Amino acid sequence: QKEVEQNSGPLSVPEGAIASLNCTYSDRGSQSFFWYRQYSGKSPELIMSIYSNGDKEDGRFTAQLNKASQYVSLLIRDSQPSDSATYLCAVNTAGNQFYFGTGTSLTVIP
Amino acid sequence: GAVVSQHPSRVICKSGTSVKIECRSLDFQATTMFWYRQFPKKSLMLMATSNEGSKATYEQGVEKDKFLINHASLTLSTLTVTSAHPEDSSFYICSAKSAGGPISNTGELFFGEGSRLTVL
Repeated sequence: QKEVEQNSGPLSVPEGAIASLNCTYSDRGSQSFFWYRQYSGKSPELIMSIYSNGDKEDGRFTAQLNKASQYVSLLIRDSQPSDSATYLCAVNTAGNQFYFGTGTSLTVIP
Repeated sequence: GAVVSQHPSRVICKSGTSVKIECRSLDFQATTMFWYRQFPKKSLMLMATSNEGSKATYEQGVEKDKFLINHASLTLSTLTVTSAHPEDSSFYICSAKSAGGPISNTGELFFGEGSRLTVL
């Protein structure tokens, strides 16, 4: 499924740095967008949802949405080793399906 | 966040047998549930979208006669892997969509714990 695309990484950042994760999607009618975190062998857990163009901040996390460019991103400030995981971008399409990107593996180096 | 319970978490079966996986939304009513399959180090692949009281919508390439989905109530959906074979071994994850969000049809997706199926 190519509805949602992400760089698979791996992405490595030092502790305290900003990690930037990117995602593009193909269904222009999509209205809701999500970032999930998944640890190995576990189910994904929701980090953030975003519905409108612009930035949405929640603690150390900032999601950015640009519907014209069909682009979603997630910034993690002051990265911690516990943030090391796979980050999945998800899009709820106009047809009410939820599609996920391939995930970006993030490693935060102490 | 909302709670979704999935059972069993692990199952090992012999080739040719059928396995049923249950997915329950514990504290909200889920009109839509989704079933995903995930292979090691791969992303979640949507198998089907399950709407309460109607037939599931299967993604291209997913055999509906092999992966039977039933969504009989607003809190329960089941996936039955019929005549399982070793290639069906995978991590199956259900999710339920909550109502709400600022825009119609933009409820968030909450996941069950996943079921790891091993077919011998």
